[in-house]
Amino acid sequence: EAGVAQSPRYKIIEKRQSVAFWCNPISGHATLYWYQQILGQGPKLLIQFQNNGVVDDSQLPKDRFSAERLKGVDSTLKIQPAKLEDSAVYLCASTLSYEQYFGPGTRLTVT
Amino acid sequence: GDSVTQMEGPVTLSEEAFLTINCTYTATGYPSLFWYVQYPGEGLQLLLKATKADDKGSNKGFEATYRKETTSFHLEKGSVQVSDSAVYFCALSGMNTGNQFYFGTGTSLTVIP
Repeated sequence: EAGVAQSPRYKIIEKRQSVAFWCNPISGHATLYWYQQILGQGPKLLIQFQNNGVVDDSQLPKDRFSAERLKGVDSTLKIQPAKLEDSAVYLCASTLSYEQYFGPGTRLTVT
Repeated sequence: GDSVTQMEGPVTLSEEAFLTINCTYTATGYPSLFWYVQYPGEGLQLLLKATKADDKGSNKGFEATYRKETTSFHLEKGSVQVSDSAVYFCALSGMNTGNQFYFGTGTSLTVIP
C-alpha cells in the first residue's frame, strides 16, 4: 500500500514570497490533516478535512494560510505571504479510522 | 482541553540500556493513546497504540500500558539499540476530540554504542 505522498520535500523562499505544498493521502482515506512542526516541538494541527469539507481550521492563520481539498482526494496548503516564523516542517496525514499515517513532510525555510 | 505531557529530553543511553519515556495525558472521556517515532529527516511513524484502559501496546520491543488511574502511557524498552535513536512523540485522539490528535513535544533519544 502506497503511503502519504508530499511534495516538495524541501523549499527555501524569502519572506513575503508565496509557497504551496501538495499532499496525496492514502487511497480511500477520507480524513486528511495538515500539521506544522516547528523545530523541537510536536506537530500542531493546522486544518482537518473530511472528504472535501473542512472539519476544523481553528488554528490556521487564515490571513496568510489557505488550504483546499478539491474532489476529496489530494490537498494543497498555501502560504501567502510567508514570514520568518513560518519556517517549519509541514506534515500531511490521513486516516481511515483513528490511526494517522504521515507523509515525509516538507521542510520550509523562510529567509 | 485535552493535552499530552511528555518528559523532556534529550535522553542519551548506552546500547542495551533500559529506556523509559514518561507520558501523561489530560482528556475528557476515554481517548486512544499512541506513541509515534520520527527518524531524522522522516515523517512520523506509528510505533504502538492502545485504545482502552489496561491495554498494552507493543512493537519492535517497545511497550506502553494505558493506565487510566494515573492517566499515563509510559514508553519502555528493555534493551535499546543504536537504531532506536529518534524522536518519540506521545499522542492522544478520540471521539471527544473530534478524532483530532494532540501530540506531546517529543523526546529525543540518542543511543551510543
